[in-house]
Amino acid sequence: NAGVTQTPKFQVLKTGQSMTLQCAQDMNHEYMSWYRQDPGMGLRLIHYSVGAGITDQGEVPNGYNVSRSTTEDFPLRLLSAAPSQTSVYFCASRAPGTETQYFGPGTRLLVL
Amino acid sequence: SQQGEEDPQALSIQEGENATMNCSYKTSINNLQWYRQNSGRGLVHLILIRSNEREKHSGRLRVTLDTSKKSSSLLITASRAADTASYFCATVPRNEKLTFGTGTRLTIIP
Repeated sequence: NAGVTQTPKFQVLKTGQSMTLQCAQDMNHEYMSWYRQDPGMGLRLIHYSVGAGITDQGEVPNGYNVSRSTTEDFPLRLLSAAPSQTSVYFCASRAPGTETQYFGPGTRLLVL
Repeated sequence: SQQGEEDPQALSIQEGENATMNCSYKTSINNLQWYRQNSGRGLVHLILIRSNEREKHSGRLRVTLDTSKKSSSLLITASRAADTASYFCATVPRNEKLTFGTGTRLTIIP
């Protein structure tokens, strides 16, 4: 199993550009989520999904969109990047009925 | 808002010593988890303790939970250089969304 994979590892955007952060897992986990990690802030939940076709907002959803068309993939879209979205983004998944989350390696995003 | 808050924010100890870090949280929980993050990497789950448990062990890790004080502690015994990392507590409140604290940065000095 590859576990949770994220691409790209690093990205530089200009303000106003759009991009999609990819996340995939091969563990057949129903629950997937996106977090951002900023210095001194810990991890904050952006969006999550409890299964294909179902998404919901987390603590800091503004400026981000998600969709869940398959169990494996959970992309995060930035429609118009802003410097405040400079952060490290982590995708995570877990199986239903369990509480352990498996994290991807992260995507480091810099918005200029 | 953050549910958990770790203390201290940073900790440096000599290799072989024990490391203790604490987590305080705000609301009732179903369980509390500890994760480790090595520099530049994702988080790795270490241990989970349920709200009806008071202590749990896993190898060199010992976790305690005091629900009356809304606090938990993580003890790493006989520390090693490889234990250098950031440690996060994460709580599962009644709404089931895992919420992370701000982390303790642990440095083991060889």
